Amino acid sequence: AQSVTQLGSHVSVSEGALVLLRCNYSSSVPPYLFWYVQYPNQGLQLLLKYTSAATLVKGINGFEAEFKKSETSFHLTKPSAHMSDAAEYFCAVTSYNNNDMRFGAGTRLTVKP
Amino acid sequence: DVKVTQSSRYLVKRTGEKVFLECVQDMDHENMFWYRQDPGLGLRLIYFSYDVKMKEKGDIPEGYSVSREKKERFSLILESASTNQTSMYLCASSRAGRVETQYFGPGTRLLVL
Repeated sequence: AQSVTQLGSHVSVSEGALVLLRCNYSSSVPPYLFWYVQYPNQGLQLLLKYTSAATLVKGINGFEAEFKKSETSFHLTKPSAHMSDAAEYFCAVTSYNNNDMRFGAGTRLTVKP
Repeated sequence: DVKVTQSSRYLVKRTGEKVFLECVQDMDHENMFWYRQDPGLGLRLIYFSYDVKMKEKGDIPEGYSVSREKKERFSLILESASTNQTSMYLCASSRAGRVETQYFGPGTRLLVL
């Protein structure tokens, strides 16, 4: 069965600094990978997804992620953090159907002024 | 615009009560999901449905049941609420397919006393 591990339950950055949220996956078949964001008191919304096309995936709000098979990673980055990026971020993996999607434990991002 | 709505944002119930959580989507999606979100555990799938009257168990179905009588509506039922079912419950829907995005509702925060 597939799974993801998010390294760091809390990440704090200063406004304007690089954002790096780490996700490593485990899958016995080629995976499809997702990053979702959850703002306070809201449901999750898709940031970006990897579907085996380009390994560098661009998403909304200036975020991007790179699929690295050799490292089994799919880290999320943003060059310059904004206060509005403060939220919880979830990495997810699916292999066969999206009904077997597995989510990581989440990383809470804090942005300091 | 995509819309998934959940019947309540907050619920307080007593141990032993039967609890109904309802979810409605307006996108004509085939798949619907119920997740439970707990701090440090991410999202865990309770049940999903791939068609009207069709359902499959997820990772943590014990103590829960579901009903899907119409395509747009998916109900989660706690037959006899217990304190360990205090949690955030998220509904999602998607088209059928391996990399289809799941669209989430705002969540229902349930407190069982």
